[in-house]
Amino acid sequence: ETGVTQSPTHLIKTRGQQVTLRCSSQSGHNTVSWYQQALGQGPQFIFQYYREEENGRGNFPPRFSGLQFPNYSSELNVNALELDDSALYLCASSNRQSSYNSPLHFGNGTRLTVT
Amino acid sequence: GESVGLHLPTLSVQEGDNSIINCAYSNSASDYFIWYKQESGKGPQFIIDIRSNMDKRQGQRVTVLLNKTVKHLSLQIAATQPGDSAVYFCAEKPYSGAGSYQLTFGKGTKLSVIP
Repeated sequence: ETGVTQSPTHLIKTRGQQVTLRCSSQSGHNTVSWYQQALGQGPQFIFQYYREEENGRGNFPPRFSGLQFPNYSSELNVNALELDDSALYLCASSNRQSSYNSPLHFGNGTRLTVT
Repeated sequence: GESVGLHLPTLSVQEGDNSIINCAYSNSASDYFIWYKQESGKGPQFIIDIRSNMDKRQGQRVTVLLNKTVKHLSLQIAATQPGDSAVYFCAEKPYSGAGSYQLTFGKGTKLSVIP
């Protein structure tokens, strides 16, 4: 069973730039969620994708956007980067057809540094 | 807003002893709770979960207790080992109907195992 994989592992960007982070979901999973984890904090929900559509969003501005592809992989795009966007970005997958309460399986994240 | 929090930010335990990590939640509508372990440089790793219709669930060396009356959750680790050293997060899933896998995380407790 292949777990959740994310790329790149580390990234350095300049304020105002745009970034794309990528995620391959665990095999058999059809739902992808993205979380932002600031240093010393718990992960914060950004949004969730199912059937290539966003169907849940946390308290993040529109410059955070995403895509889900037919193979269930996903991208997180952040425009007009700000210093506070520096964080670990986590992708998590799950299977919506299984029990309503099924745990999320996380990747190891992409560490984004904005300078 | 309602959130999940932890009583103790750090916990040091002698190897071989039992560990207890506590968590308070405030959303009475939450019906699903998960404990995650996060090692340095990695994403959160699922440990154990519990639904609100249960008050205890056991896994391998771990037990989760849920007290809905006082909105309290705990994770017990038996015979703590050096490999258990990590940050532990409790997370809740607010009831929001079909379609949402949004988890709300606490800030985490750092467990240090003393050899």
